[in-house]
Amino acid sequence: QLQLQESGPGLVKPSETLSLTCTVSGGSISSSSYYWGWIRQPPGKGLEWIGIIYYSGSTYYNPSLKSRVTISVDTSKNQFSLKLNSVTAADTAVYYCARQTGGGAYLIDYWGQGTLVTVSS
Amino acid sequence: QSALTQPASVSGSPGQSITISCTGTSSDVGDYNYVSWYQQHPGKAPKLMIYDVSNRPSGVSNRFSGSKSGNTASLTISGLQAEDEADYYCSSYTSGTTVAFGGGTKLTVL
Repeated sequence: QLQLQESGPGLVKPSETLSLTCTVSGGSISSSSYYWGWIRQPPGKGLEWIGIIYYSGSTYYNPSLKSRVTISVDTSKNQFSLKLNSVTAADTAVYYCARQTGGGAYLIDYWGQGTLVTVSS
Repeated sequence: QSALTQPASVSGSPGQSITISCTGTSSDVGDYNYVSWYQQHPGKAPKLMIYDVSNRPSGVSNRFSGSKSGNTASLTISGLQAEDEADYYCSSYTSGTTVAFGGGTKLTVL
């Protein structure tokens, strides 16, 4: 059974960089059928798609976040990571890592449990 | 502001059927059969309920069904049960962003 687990600091200061890692177990991140992505959800609000990465390193980002986001992959560790720079309070959210597949890789079929990141001084 | 429009809330009594709509544009819902629905209980990660407009993943009850007409997709839950009370999100492929979500609909089982 595929499992995804987010890890990283739960508190980040304004203007600094948010960094999270997702560890994939029960399957290979190098599978040609899947992309690996990040989604976030501010407290009490809806879901926002951040971006995805293929095992080869190809990436696609939400245009609204593209200038601040970097997603990378480490196939040797079966992990992928998210960096979001110049954070503000508006970036406070539960961050989910996920597996994406289907047409245009739109389909999110496995989700991590999520990790709350608070931006505050 | 979400790319896809959903009603903020819907409600129904046990045993009844409800439908949640998800309205997009000709650049997403209307142009692709790549619509999915997710159920989210409080404090939990979303769970995939419907994909490619009307397909159910293994293990999802056949009380859940999906459809699409033009720029609007719909999720129907029949035979409402107490455990169906949750937030529901639609999602669509969109050429501009890859993935667009609806704002979410809170389902209350009366």
